[in-house]
Amino acid sequence: DSGVTQTPKHLITATGQRVTLRCSPRSGDLSVYWYQQSLDQGLQFLIQYYNGEERAKGNILERFSAQQFPDLHSELNLSSLELGDSALYFCASSVGGAGNTGELFFGEGSRLTVL
Amino acid sequence: DQQVKQNSPSLSVQEGRISILNCDYTNSMFDYFLWYKKYPAEGPTFLISISSIKDKNEDGRFTVFLNKSAKHLSLHIVPSQPGDSAVYFCAASFRGGAGSYQLTFGKGTKLSVIP
Repeated sequence: DSGVTQTPKHLITATGQRVTLRCSPRSGDLSVYWYQQSLDQGLQFLIQYYNGEERAKGNILERFSAQQFPDLHSELNLSSLELGDSALYFCASSVGGAGNTGELFFGEGSRLTVL
Repeated sequence: DQQVKQNSPSLSVQEGRISILNCDYTNSMFDYFLWYKKYPAEGPTFLISISSIKDKNEDGRFTVFLNKSAKHLSLHIVPSQPGDSAVYFCAASFRGGAGSYQLTFGKGTKLSVIP
């Protein structure tokens, strides 16, 4: 158990819809990261938050947005869903800050299926 | 442009033998390298890492080698055990502004250890 909690574990929805994925980081971790894993693809970095502020942005579509709340949990919002958005979405957390070299703790992922 | 490449999608090894997983990178800015292991229906878990100032790091049965001039790293598992069967992701990071960083992952290599 990594200590990172993601909900829901599975989600099936239709094209054009909007969904919200939720992540609770490990206790004490200030950084939250979102990754997308599509079929036969590696983990694609979407976005990072550190203590409530956006810290880094990767290949995140404009239809997607995220935020980190004062209690440090994070939500990833996916809107105007397309078939190609079907993927595993992972949240990861770390202590964050300048001393961190990249060891992240991952949740079990949220599997999104868009029909 | 894939900055971290794992050119072998899969690898099969006999139990007790050595497993060698390879990874190449293109970005000279990377200064820290990590391997993650992922079982089905679970999130990736950190396995071992190496700083760019070293060329070898060992942890039990797992050893990571780094060849900076070739921009190549490898993970050796000796002896391989059936429980090592998983997808292994190579990742690389560098420290950006304000201490931020992000991991760039390869697509993964599926290791099967045959009893």
